[in-house]
Amino acid sequence: AQSVTQLDSQVPVFEEAPVELRCNYSSSVSVYLFWYVQYPNQGLQLLLKYLSGSTLVKGINGFEAEFNKSQTSFHLRKPSVHISDTAEYFCAVSDQALTFGKGTMLLVSP
Amino acid sequence: NAGVTQTPKFQVLKTGQSMTLQCAQDMNHEYMSWYRQDPGMGLRLIHYSVGAGITDQGEVPNGYNVSRSTTEDFPLRLLSAAPSQTSVYFCASSYGHDSYEQYFGPGTRLTVT
Repeated sequence: AQSVTQLDSQVPVFEEAPVELRCNYSSSVSVYLFWYVQYPNQGLQLLLKYLSGSTLVKGINGFEAEFNKSQTSFHLRKPSVHISDTAEYFCAVSDQALTFGKGTMLLVSP
Repeated sequence: NAGVTQTPKFQVLKTGQSMTLQCAQDMNHEYMSWYRQDPGMGLRLIHYSVGAGITDQGEVPNGYNVSRSTTEDFPLRLLSAAPSQTSVYFCASSYGHDSYEQYFGPGTRLTVT
């Protein structure tokens, strides 16, 4: 069985500061890993995904994530956040079905 | 191209009532799924379908029914609503179920009193 742990339920950060949202996964087979973002009162949209190949994956809105197989992690990073990045971020792993973590709320303040 | 659409956007039900949440997609996706989102719980898979006529249970299927008679539509039926089913429901679709991006609808906020 696969599972996802997002280590922080909430991450407050000031505008223009860097941020890292942490995600660890467990799966018995090769995995596909995703980060989705949910803005208030909206559905989810894909930020980026790791399928294979380079372990550093670049996504939309300046986000990137690094797949680390030995640490079973897929942390999301952005070097400089904006107010508009305030949203909930979900890490997900796909094997037979897509399993989501519980989410991390990123709160960007001026 | 409307993507994934869901109706209604909001619904209030009394305990014991039944209703159907509608989901449709116009991208010719084979895979469709229903999730519920509850505070602090992330999204949990209710049911999914890998093509017309084929459905299967996810993590939290109890109290819900689905069918897939066409590629485009994947309705979710609540048989006898309970307060525990108060949640936000999202429908999603994709070309496949593993490596493919899932496209989400805007959600249906359901309250059961």
